Amino acid sequence: SAVISQKPSRDICQRGTSLTIQCQVDSQVTMMFWYRQQPGQSLTLIATANQGSEATYESGFVIDKFPISRPNLTFSTLTVSNMSPEDSSIYLCSVVIAGVASHEQYFGPGTRLTVT
Amino acid sequence: AQRVTQPEKLLSVFKGAPVELKCNYSYSGSPELFWYVQYSRQRLQLLLRHISRESIKGFTADLNKGETSFHLKKPFAQEEDSAMYYCALLRTSYGKLTFGQGTILTVHP
Repeated sequence: SAVISQKPSRDICQRGTSLTIQCQVDSQVTMMFWYRQQPGQSLTLIATANQGSEATYESGFVIDKFPISRPNLTFSTLTVSNMSPEDSSIYLCSVVIAGVASHEQYFGPGTRLTVT
Repeated sequence: AQRVTQPEKLLSVFKGAPVELKCNYSYSGSPELFWYVQYSRQRLQLLLRHISRESIKGFTADLNKGETSFHLKKPFAQEEDSAMYYCALLRTSYGKLTFGQGTILTVHP
């Protein structure tokens, strides 16, 4: 497995502001993903974070709202822009570890975001 | 379209009783399915995957392509099994997962 950390672990933000969430892994990874888990809901994939290029977004998610960076193999950021209360969710990063059985994803602890 | 359905949002059993968490999927290709578990105040973690056909913590799950199901079973539930369980389908070779809505399992003493 791997150690996956996220910062911050939680935050309370005002509407209209932006928050950047960091995801750091202590192992080489092949793939990194960002998910959202709204209150009482399941996990929904936001995007695939691609190293050195633009992220690949799922239907319903756009780069202007959720810009993502991945400057190297072990680090990625997700920004939630111009926040509204509907953005209150847990945001999770997940990774596929290089050399581990394919497609097994490991999840970070999540960032609990509350927008007031 | 890919879809994962977990029909039971809540499931309660008594310690020592058998438990089955249901999962049905729809997928046009060859499915690869997983069960993830999230214990209280812990992160989401992989419980098992159908390809490995292993038993983890006494849980097993068999892929039934005819019924498009991947139910999670344990013959004798323990209190420490109480958690949220998610069934997930690997959508493409790029590792994207589609999750079911999750089932909260409560095992009473």
